[in-house]
Amino acid sequence: DQQVKQNSPSLSVQEGRISILNCDYTNSMFDYFLWYKKYPAEGPTFLISISSIKDKNEDGRFTVFLNKSAKHLSLHIVPSQPGDSAVYFCAASVGSFGNEKLTFGTGTRLTIIP
Amino acid sequence: DTAVSQTPKYLVTQMGNDKSIKCEQNLGHDTMYWYKQDSKKFLKIMFSYNNKELIINETVPNRFSPKSPDKAHLNLHINSLELGDSAVYFCASSQGGTAYYGYTFGSGTRLTVV
Repeated sequence: DQQVKQNSPSLSVQEGRISILNCDYTNSMFDYFLWYKKYPAEGPTFLISISSIKDKNEDGRFTVFLNKSAKHLSLHIVPSQPGDSAVYFCAASVGSFGNEKLTFGTGTRLTIIP
Repeated sequence: DTAVSQTPKYLVTQMGNDKSIKCEQNLGHDTMYWYKQDSKKFLKIMFSYNNKELIINETVPNRFSPKSPDKAHLNLHINSLELGDSAVYFCASSQGGTAYYGYTFGSGTRLTVV
């Protein structure tokens, strides 16, 4: 049962343009949603998160949007830079302190074209 | 200075062997995790420990035994290794057991069982 889905396995974007990565979920009990970035042979690196009570969170070039009614979130990167080329994982958490579980999507490989 | 370090980075072993993966974090976090990334790239939680106490044990075969000698270390011992155990294992840590501020992941241990 895949509760967090990233339906696009890959995405190519021209440098300087906007990258939009999408994620859908099925569990309405998720408390927080997160985006991680992963380079080959490294662990995932936390990028940005959003609480389920918010609809937008911004941090520099990264903005996450949450549409609870559609059970959909997206990550916008603008402007896109070559160093943004990586695999991006969407994740969602449920549970209280100490008993929290993070469920990941399967990732989207973003390639920024110079 | 690596925040979450795992050893070894690569591990190739024969079926039936017993092996251990070590994880240490120097962030002062109180919660540590083991995640498994399988061949389909799913990242799934296996265990979480908060201040040396097991909190989450996510239907993992009892051949897998985590051990936390102190809150900075969480090791994973695997008995009687099987082909299906081949995967990348990631250790992670967080403060307060909450995902909102992001988990810090190690770089992973690629386990290959032959």
